[in-house]
Amino acid sequence: QVQLQESGPGLVKPSGTLSLTCAVSGGSISSSNWWSWVRQSPGKGLEWIAEIYHDGGTNYNPSLTSRVTISVDKSKNQFSLRLTSVTAADTAVYYCARGWRYYGSGSVFDSWGQGTLVTVSS
Amino acid sequence: DIQMSQSPSSLSASVGDRVTITCRASQGISNYLAWFQQKPGKVPKLLIYDASTLQSGVPSRFSGTGSGTDFTLTISSLRPEDVATYYCQNYNSVPPLTFGGGTKVEIK
Repeated sequence: QVQLQESGPGLVKPSGTLSLTCAVSGGSISSSNWWSWVRQSPGKGLEWIAEIYHDGGTNYNPSLTSRVTISVDKSKNQFSLRLTSVTAADTAVYYCARGWRYYGSGSVFDSWGQGTLVTVSS
Repeated sequence: DIQMSQSPSSLSASVGDRVTITCRASQGISNYLAWFQQKPGKVPKLLIYDASTLQSGVPSRFSGTGSGTDFTLTISSLRPEDVATYYCQNYNSVPPLTFGGGTKVEIK
């Protein structure tokens, strides 16, 4: 049973950079899965941010692409998120998730981390 | 981008009631639709994928139908443990992957 665990600072200053890591255990990040970040602002719905494959292939949400970088570290079995120029609107619970897909489709998220709350505040 | 809309945004029903939630895509997505359940303070859980396939371990009182632009999630007999917010998700193409706004289900 794969497990995902997010880690990173819970507080980021406005205009700063949010950096999170998702450690994958019980499975290989080099499997035929895509690995995503999804966020949820307080009391709001779910927003997909970005995804990465172990070969470095990436997809980004067009609404965030100018500020987001997703990366993978196969040696550590983990992937990371970097979001720059953050504002209060980026305050959210950030989840990492594993996705599977059919050829040509997007991902279905079948495993999620517990989520980590990141607050943007001075 | 394909927009996903859900209705109603919230509902209140009695234990044992049949509950139906609707999800509509702004353009056809074949059957590339998933449903998630998120209980208060918890992580989203995959219930259904391919519009109608039950994820392993999900109770059979949950079912999904639809194709193209219109989809439904049905709980055949509502139980107290079904109190949650339900989200649909389109995975027809990427980017972006998009979610509906959610439907909050409460017990009357």
